[in-house]
Amino acid sequence: EPEVTQTPSHQVTQMGQEVILRCVPISNHLYFYWYRQILGQKVEFLVSFYNNEISEKSEIFDDQFSVERPDGSNFTLKIRSTKLEDSAMYFCASSELDADTQYFGPGTRLTVL
Amino acid sequence: AQKVTQAQTEISVVEKEDVTLDCVYETRDTTYYLFWYKQPPSGELVFLIRRNSFDEQNEISGRYSWNFQKSTSSFNFTITASQVVDSAVYFCALISNSNSGYALNFGKGTSLLVTP
Repeated sequence: EPEVTQTPSHQVTQMGQEVILRCVPISNHLYFYWYRQILGQKVEFLVSFYNNEISEKSEIFDDQFSVERPDGSNFTLKIRSTKLEDSAMYFCASSELDADTQYFGPGTRLTVL
Repeated sequence: AQKVTQAQTEISVVEKEDVTLDCVYETRDTTYYLFWYKQPPSGELVFLIRRNSFDEQNEISGRYSWNFQKSTSSFNFTITASQVVDSAVYFCALISNSNSGYALNFGKGTSLLVTP
C-alpha cells in the first residue's frame, strides 16, 4: 500500500541553524501539506501546496519557513534560523484531490537546542 | 470561522467497555468534510474515516462506528468492546469549502486509555 515517507525521523539542531525536512508524498497525489504538533498539543496546519505553488498558509508559516518540490517526488520544508519554540513533530501529508483524505507520513521530530 | 471541539481531554475505560468520543464542529459552509484520525503512542497519524456534509448516514466498521448529526453539528465516534490496542489520542478534524488550500482543522484530541 502506498504511503507517505519522511526523513529524517529525528533531527537535532542548534538554535539559529537551518534545517530541511524531507517528504515523499504518495506518487499519484497532487496536494501536499505540512503540519506540526508541539508535544502534547493539537496538530496545526502550516502550509498546503498544489501545482508547484503554495495554495494556503497559516499564521505560523512566516518568512522563516519555505517549501519546495525540487523534483518529481520530494517535498521539502525548510526552517531558517531555528528557534527553541520550533521544537515539534512535523508531519507531511498528501491527498489525491482537494478536500480528499489526507494521508500522513510518520513525522520528523525536530529538537532545537 | 471554523472550529472543532473535543470536550473530553482524557477518557479511561476497562477493556471490553464501549466508549464514545465526542466531536462538535462549527462552520458556516454548506459543504464540508469531517475526519477522524488515530494517533497511537508511536506518534503517527492514522486515518480512520472521512464524511462529507451531504452524507449523514452513520457508518460501522468492525468495532468502530460513527454518528454524524448535522442538527447538533456533531460527529461522534464509538468504539465497541474496547481493547488495549485502542489506547491512543483520537483527533476529529474538519475541512470546509471556504477554506482554500483545504487545510485540516483539528480538534485538541481525546486521549483514550484502555486498561486490561
